[in-house]
Amino acid sequence: KQEVTQIPAALSVPEGENLVLNCSFTDSAIYNLQWFRQDPGKGLTSLLLIQSSQREQTSGRLNASLDKSSGRSTLYIAASQPGDSATYLCAHQGGSEKLVFGKGTKLTVNP
Amino acid sequence: EADIYQTPRYLVIGTGKKITLECSQTMGHDKMYWYQQDPGMELHLIHYSYGVNSTEKGDLSSESTVSRIRTEHFPLTLESARPSHTSQYLCASREGGANVLTFGAGSRLTVL
Repeated sequence: KQEVTQIPAALSVPEGENLVLNCSFTDSAIYNLQWFRQDPGKGLTSLLLIQSSQREQTSGRLNASLDKSSGRSTLYIAASQPGDSATYLCAHQGGSEKLVFGKGTKLTVNP
Repeated sequence: EADIYQTPRYLVIGTGKKITLECSQTMGHDKMYWYQQDPGMELHLIHYSYGVNSTEKGDLSSESTVSRIRTEHFPLTLESARPSHTSQYLCASREGGANVLTFGAGSRLTVL
């Protein structure tokens, strides 16, 4: 059974810090990996999608990498801002329609 | 700006009531999904659809049912709500050949 683990579960940093969120998955058969942001009481917003043939994707201050051999993905956030405070979720898609989600990392960026 | 809409956003009802959670998308996406999420926990897929007249059960067993009569509409129904159904329900959609999921804002259900 595919499992997706996110570490840490929660993270609190001062504004301006660079930070890394980690995601690991057990199924090496990967189609793509997605990172989402979820604000309290809201739905999910897609941030980055990495296809299995790619190593990384970048959008603004966000960079996501994928290492299939080790079953890991990281989300790097540069120069964090209070508006980045949210829960960040990663989701693994194998050969089926189904995405398997991690529990998320709750990020707090303090002014 | 999300083009997928869920109603109601919040619902508090008594045990035994029938409820329908609405989900509509204006993007013409073929594939639609319902996820269930308890606080602090993972999203679990409960239903999905490949297109009109297609519905499939997801990984998490659910007493809910869905229908897909129109491309843009994917409602979820609970015939007799119970306190164990208290959760957040998230609807999502995507283009058939693409992979990015677009989510609605969610429907938070509380059954007393």
